Amino acid sequence: GAVVSQHPSRVICKSGTSVKIECRSLDFQATTMFWYRQFPKKSLMLMATSNEGSKATYEQGVEKDKFLINHASLTLSTLTVTSAHPEDSSFYICSASAGWQETQYFGPGTRLLVL
Amino acid sequence: QKEVEQNSGPLSVPEGAIASLNCTYSDRVSQSFFWYRQYSGKSPELIMSIYSNGDKEDGRFTAQLNKASQYVSLLIRDSQPSDSATYLCAVRSGNTPLVFGKGTRLSVIA
Repeated sequence: GAVVSQHPSRVICKSGTSVKIECRSLDFQATTMFWYRQFPKKSLMLMATSNEGSKATYEQGVEKDKFLINHASLTLSTLTVTSAHPEDSSFYICSASAGWQETQYFGPGTRLLVL
Repeated sequence: QKEVEQNSGPLSVPEGAIASLNCTYSDRVSQSFFWYRQYSGKSPELIMSIYSNGDKEDGRFTAQLNKASQYVSLLIRDSQPSDSATYLCAVRSGNTPLVFGKGTRLSVIA
């Protein structure tokens, strides 16, 4: 299957700081990328969908000013958690697909801990 | 509201047995169906996709789709302890994000 990478894999930050997470499709062009959040023992929760060169579409209840998503190229999307708080601590996972009708491949995830 | 339902489990099967995982979906016009496996603390990995009614086999895995019954299943033959994970059913309708079920936790007992 296709390869999607995420960086960093783990990050610890202080409350009030911002954290940027990168998601890259390594062997295909990802016209669509998705950002998920997953709390321990809970289901995947879709945060937003981004299409290359367009603004992200956020799911209901997800603050777009807090979770900034940029999908500036066909191989890179970034999620910035601004002014992070302890309740933002979670497992953030991106996935990418070559198009809406194509398979979604997941990155390995980024574990964020906000102190 | 599009919904994908899975039994949360845990589903326990002995090593070597067949594990049967089931999933139903609410949107009748759904077109694409996927099974992902998620180990604890890891991200989901794709096992199989299926688009047409019937069976699709890949190694020890067989996906079955019945659009009339809005039902998709995953069979794992010769289950191994390493198959112990949460299995996520995902469904897509048109140009919309995948809708995931909550997952079924499978435990294969050695």
